Amino acid sequence: DAKTTQPPSMDCAEGRAANLPCNHSTISGNEYVYWYRQIHSQGPQYIIHGLKNNETNEMASLIITEDRKSSTLILPHATLRDTAVYYCIVRFGGSQGNLIFGKGTKLSVKP
Amino acid sequence: GAVVSQHPSRVICKSGTSVKIECRSLDFQATTMFWYRQFPKQSLMLMATSNEGSKATYEQGVEKDKFLINHASLTLSTLTVTSAHPEDSSFYICSADGTRQETQYFGPGTRLLVL
Repeated sequence: DAKTTQPPSMDCAEGRAANLPCNHSTISGNEYVYWYRQIHSQGPQYIIHGLKNNETNEMASLIITEDRKSSTLILPHATLRDTAVYYCIVRFGGSQGNLIFGKGTKLSVKP
Repeated sequence: GAVVSQHPSRVICKSGTSVKIECRSLDFQATTMFWYRQFPKQSLMLMATSNEGSKATYEQGVEKDKFLINHASLTLSTLTVTSAHPEDSSFYICSADGTRQETQYFGPGTRLLVL
């Protein structure tokens, strides 16, 4: 079973920031938080991952709470092409551990 | 990110025939490859994990004699659906992991329709 909980769906206005929450209250000390997204009929796309520090890359920012029991993925300026299902996954970092996909959050970016 | 390809992107076959799907890591050596299946409106379900040069490890409920996996090189894994039936129709997705990669990278998926 997936070790994360996400809202099933969210809407966001184009150009605004999209903040996608994820609860992972049972995360262990050596597990990372990974985010992927899946645009309709495509394979999942890696977005970002982190252990305990906040992370930022060209796609998004990842904010992890101090107790690591929850995190938020931030898309700073959502576009229509960001409409997808976003998956929050916890697993061991590096080349270890399977990715167990939950149901994710369906983000709809609206004009 | 790293690039993983799949071929074919879609295939239609008759019931009882076998179908082979290829997964290639194009710019890195994949020590481990994973095969997932996704039914409409559902999430990805891991089918099996394969390491180069060794037998695949199948998830519970996945028939190893029906879904044959070969990981003969560090850049290629194949999934063969043997004696396909309509209920095998699904979206099959592979991913690859390398020692220098921080995470798995996914292929674009193969849509299989069994008539």
